[in-house]
Amino acid sequence: KAGVTQTPRYLIKTRGQQVTLSCSPISGHRSVSWYQQTPGQGLQFLFEYFSETQRNKGNFPGRFSGRQFSNSRSEMNVSTLELGDSALYLCASSGGTPGQPQHFGDGTRLSIL
Amino acid sequence: GNSVTQMEGPVTLSEEAFLTINCTYTATGYPSLFWYVQYPGEGLQLLLKATKADDKGSNKGFEATYRKETTSFHLEKGSVQVSDSAVYFCALSGAGGGNKLTFGTGTQLKVEL
Repeated sequence: KAGVTQTPRYLIKTRGQQVTLSCSPISGHRSVSWYQQTPGQGLQFLFEYFSETQRNKGNFPGRFSGRQFSNSRSEMNVSTLELGDSALYLCASSGGTPGQPQHFGDGTRLSIL
Repeated sequence: GNSVTQMEGPVTLSEEAFLTINCTYTATGYPSLFWYVQYPGEGLQLLLKATKADDKGSNKGFEATYRKETTSFHLEKGSVQVSDSAVYFCALSGAGGGNKLTFGTGTQLKVEL
């Protein structure tokens, strides 16, 4: 059974640009969550999508947005990039019942110059 | 809100030593508890889980018991190996937070020969 796939693995952007990250969940999983990992702030929850609807949202500015498609694949978009957006962005999938384990991809490393 | 506190690292042990990484949590209700492990350049891997009080999660020689009276979920292993060197994260979900994972700050473990 294939795991969670995130593309691309690495991205380099400059300030002010926008970026789109992609996540393909484990087959059959309907929930996709996104997390930001930085050395200073650790792992922080961005948002969760379930059946194409945002179900939960963390404390991030509106520049961070996402969506989910009917096949459960999800994209995350960050607009007007700032230096502080440099991070590892992790996607996780699960069946969607609260308390179930979530399974993570290897992440997208975003560097802002 | 929910929170997780885990012991500061880094922790350096000799091979075959006993490992304990402390984790305590604050949550309303009855969260599910998890330990995740992260190897360099990779995403998070689920190590073990427990969904209710007194449950013991175990995997690959690692164990943790859900202690509601002390709100703790300490990770233990009787004999560590060099290959266990990684960063370990304690996390919870549920308890009013839905599917969102709340993580501790992570504990880096280094095992030497």
